[in-house]
Amino acid sequence: DIQMTQSPSSLSASVGDTVTITCRASQSISNYLNWYQHKPGNAPKLLIYAASSLHSGVPSRFSGSGSGTDFTLTISSLQPEDFATYFCQQTYTSPTWTFGQGTKVEIK
Amino acid sequence: QVQLQESGPGLVKPSETLSLTCSVSGYSISSGYYWGWIRQTPGKGLEWIGSIYASGTTYYNSSLKSRVVISIDTSTNQFSLKLTSVTAADTAMYYCARGRGVHIDPWGQGTLVTVSS
Repeated sequence: DIQMTQSPSSLSASVGDTVTITCRASQSISNYLNWYQHKPGNAPKLLIYAASSLHSGVPSRFSGSGSGTDFTLTISSLQPEDFATYFCQQTYTSPTWTFGQGTKVEIK
Repeated sequence: QVQLQESGPGLVKPSETLSLTCSVSGYSISSGYYWGWIRQTPGKGLEWIGSIYASGTTYYNSSLKSRVVISIDTSTNQFSLKLTSVTAADTAMYYCARGRGVHIDPWGQGTLVTVSS
């Protein structure tokens, strides 16, 4: 099974900061990597698919990069509504899915 | 737009069967895509439980396969999860979601299921 390791598990940042979250796959998954945002009580929302493609309606301050085993989600100029948990997901083995453990972005 | 909503008991006794239903609106599940169940626990994070295709073909997480059944009802535009012989370890937030090949979108809001006597 493909394992997804996400880091850090949490981080503190201020409005306007740039934050970076990484996700590493236990084997190559090409670009079959997605990023989601999750706020308590809400449905998780797709941000980035295929490693670097921005989902419709997602602000351009969100960006993704990487291929193979190492991937990055970057949030530029952090906004108040961006404080949430972010997690990665591999779909290389779709329709079986594996997720990262999540990164909680908190207000400093 | 497409919306998914989970429903079912919030409390299940140990050794009994957890049963949840996902109601889909804004899209006919018989038209295609995968329909899946995912759960989230504090200890294990997000765990994929299984998926079903519109045709009825199922895929299950190997760690849960012996206890899981996912079914689909195109007449009601719903799909369901049954998890047998539950224990406290099955206490989690359960989500249903649509799998669009390379990504999941949308998800339901989730429903908390507690296993306790």
